[in-house]
Amino acid sequence: DSGVTQTPKHLITATGQRVTLRCSPRSGDLSVYWYQQSLDQGLQFLIQYYNGEERAKGNILERFSAQQFPDLHSELNLSSLELGDSALYFCASSVDRGGYNEQFFGPGTRLTVL
Amino acid sequence: AQSVTQPDIHITVSEGASLELRCNYSYGATPYLFWYVQSPGQGLQLLLKYFSGDTLVQGIKGFEAEFKRSQSSFNLRKPSVHWSDAAEYFCAVGNIGALNFGKGTSLLVTP
Repeated sequence: DSGVTQTPKHLITATGQRVTLRCSPRSGDLSVYWYQQSLDQGLQFLIQYYNGEERAKGNILERFSAQQFPDLHSELNLSSLELGDSALYFCASSVDRGGYNEQFFGPGTRLTVL
Repeated sequence: AQSVTQPDIHITVSEGASLELRCNYSYGATPYLFWYVQSPGQGLQLLLKYFSGDTLVQGIKGFEAEFKRSQSSFNLRKPSVHWSDAAEYFCAVGNIGALNFGKGTSLLVTP
């Protein structure tokens, strides 16, 4: 158990819908990262937040957005969902801002878009 | 642009045999390198990391990796594989927070 929690574990929805994925980092970690894992793209970095502020951005679509709240939990919002958004979404956390320490990964949320 | 290449998509080894998983990176500066393992239905777990110093790094579960700057490689090794090592292995390079992952190598362990 990494100490990072993600909810829900599974999510099934339809195209065009909007969903919210939630992540709680390990106690004491200030950075939260979101990754998408799909068969064709592999593991891709989406976005990082550090202590409530956006720190780094990767291959995140404009239909996707994220935020980190004062209690440090984070939410990833996916809107206007397409079939290709079906993937495993991981949240990770680390204590530092630069990401040079270990990132601890949650178990993931599996999103299926029908 | 930085990139990570894992040339082997699948590798099959016999239990008790030695293992080497290959990783090549392309990165302008001194890389921060990681190996993660993903068991079926699980998240990723860090096996080991290299930031600087000794180029041979020891990790958990009996794994080690060697950083070779001249070959831009960071190969993962284990002298004797156990059936429980069957999993997906990812090499990654760190860059200002983000981890840039390779496509992964799936390890199958046969009796």
